[in-house]
Amino acid sequence: GAVVSQHPSWVICKSGTSVKIECRSLDFQATTMFWYRQFPKQSLMLMATSNEGSKATYEQGVEKDKFLINHASLTLSTLTVTSAHPEDSSFYICSARGTSGRGLVQFFGPGTRLTVL
Amino acid sequence: DQQVKQNSPSLSVQEGRISILNCDYTNSMFDYFLWYKKYPAEGPTFLISISSIKDKNEDGRFTVFLNKSAKHLSLHIVPSQPGDSAVYFCAAYLHTGRRALTFGSGTRLQVQP
Repeated sequence: GAVVSQHPSWVICKSGTSVKIECRSLDFQATTMFWYRQFPKQSLMLMATSNEGSKATYEQGVEKDKFLINHASLTLSTLTVTSAHPEDSSFYICSARGTSGRGLVQFFGPGTRLTVL
Repeated sequence: DQQVKQNSPSLSVQEGRISILNCDYTNSMFDYFLWYKKYPAEGPTFLISISSIKDKNEDGRFTVFLNKSAKHLSLHIVPSQPGDSAVYFCAAYLHTGRRALTFGSGTRLQVQP
């Protein structure tokens, strides 16, 4: 079945640096990709939605200049956390949506644990 | 305003029995509903979806039922296995607007051997 991969699976960085997280859909063309953030013991919080070749749509309260999203192809989206601070430490999950023989499907990546020191 | 609700935070069933996870929604415009299971520190795993024009969809041990008049859906797992123990989220999709999934708060399923 379709798989969504994320890289890296975990990253530790110093405050003030930028971190890029890649999300790839394998054997699956994602017309829409989503980026989520999960806080401990909470459900997923949608950060932004992106369609291939167009600008991402950010949720209220999410800084677009801090969380840069690029969706260059139907199989790749990237999230760059710019000038990361400790409060950006979190679990980031991407998701890819398309259609298949099973109807509408949306698969999630395994997540990336970001720790900012 | 919580548009998708999972009112049972947890559920415990015996191995081999049926697990029934429930979900209610308030927005009658939702087009699709999806079920995911999730382990800690992992992304959700897609299980099954159902279009709003259907009332049942089956895939292996998983069956989803949709009752539009009651704005209610349920996921049945038969037979339940210990490996099914996880948090299950229902999610709803609206094809207009921002088109993102709206998630319920999840139900933790524990399947006892």
